[in-house]
Amino acid sequence: SQLAEENLWALSVHEGESVTVNCSYKTSITALQWYRQKSGEGPAQLILIRSNEREKRNGRLRATLDTSSQSSSLSITATRCEDTAVYFCATDAGSNNRIFFGDGTQLVVKP
Amino acid sequence: GGIITQTPKFLIGQEGQKLTLKCQQNFNHDTMYWYRQDSGKGLRLIYYSITENDLQKGDLSEGYDASREKKSSFSLTVTSAQKNEMAVFLCASSIFQGGNTEVFFGKGTRLTVV
Repeated sequence: SQLAEENLWALSVHEGESVTVNCSYKTSITALQWYRQKSGEGPAQLILIRSNEREKRNGRLRATLDTSSQSSSLSITATRCEDTAVYFCATDAGSNNRIFFGDGTQLVVKP
Repeated sequence: GGIITQTPKFLIGQEGQKLTLKCQQNFNHDTMYWYRQDSGKGLRLIYYSITENDLQKGDLSEGYDASREKKSSFSLTVTSAQKNEMAVFLCASSIFQGGNTEVFFGKGTRLTVV
């Protein structure tokens, strides 16, 4: 979707390192969501950060949102091999039913 | 918690064949979706339905039909399978609460056209 896009197609890190996935968007939002899709599964929501929030944490995950630059980031600290997945950002305009996914960033965490 | 069940998990069809993919959810969600995901690519919305017997076209509806016979089920028909259609088809449902939508996905049906 052109409404949201991750800035890099793929990233690779070694286990234990930190990594950040970035996302830019082009529409007014009430929230920005991050999803993770592991191989053979459907995407699952990780974090929802509302437009009046600047940061949200969930365990080793930290999402930031900058509405002035229309950008968001998802950081993962102390990465593990099981963090290997495709990470999507998705814009939520607050209207029921539709959120718009970016094309995703493939993250590979090597042992 | 709930679950979204997609059948079959793998589907092999012949070029030109009409193929049907099925999806069931027990979340009791009103809205359901069908997405197509090509290898290494993002999600493209084919159809969605906000209630039983409702259908809304997504960005990629041409070549597909959908049917929402009851709240818990949503099926997708590929009207004439093409070789460039090999992809994973993801069914999803969503809940709208607190002013935002959270989408829950099934594990997908992988379509191969020979």
